[in-house]
Amino acid sequence: AQKITQTQPGMFVQEKEAVTLDCTYDTSDPSYGLFWYKQPSSGEMIFLIYQGSYDQQNATEGRYSLNFQKARKSANLVISASQLGDSAMYFCAMSLLYSGSARQLTFGSGTQLTVLP
Amino acid sequence: DAGVIQSPRHEVTEMGQEVTLRCKPISGHDYLFWYRQTMMRGLELLIYFNNNVPIDDSGMPEDRFSAKMPNASFSTLKIQPSEPRDSAVYFCASSQEIREKLFFGSGTQLSVL
Repeated sequence: AQKITQTQPGMFVQEKEAVTLDCTYDTSDPSYGLFWYKQPSSGEMIFLIYQGSYDQQNATEGRYSLNFQKARKSANLVISASQLGDSAMYFCAMSLLYSGSARQLTFGSGTQLTVLP
Repeated sequence: DAGVIQSPRHEVTEMGQEVTLRCKPISGHDYLFWYRQTMMRGLELLIYFNNNVPIDDSGMPEDRFSAKMPNASFSTLKIQPSEPRDSAVYFCASSQEIREKLFFGSGTQLSVL
């Protein structure tokens, strides 16, 4: 069974600085996708970025980039130029691409990011 | 598009009462998911539908929980009777394909007293 590990329960970063949120995963399946979601204090879950296991380049979406190291089984989220509005809980998730079941979508326990002014 | 719409936003009820949570997925999305989020267990998939048909309900905690999707634009999650341990945030999410990113609703914060 696959597993997602986020080892940082909480992180602090100074406004305008970059921050890296760690995510490691474990699966024996070669075909998978990695997602990051943001959950602000208002509660909704917002999709940020996606990386496929066969993608050659690291995914980027604006200030978000995914540092994908396949051999290390890590998919760290990098937020550049942090803003106060980035303060939120961040979840890493993994999905098996050729599984026919949605139950294979696994979420990590989350990292609470606080951006300091 | 308005996104996934859930109601109510907050629900406070007494133990033993029936609770109904509602969800309107994004138009054109074939998959609808119900998740529960708690501090202890994180995000748990309760049930999901494909084209209005329940595919996997193995995450539904007990027979007290039931979910329906009578049409492509509406789903309900019902708890009867409710218990204090059901207190959680319940999310509805939808997607076009099973492996694609999920679009989540704002969630329903349920408190059972």
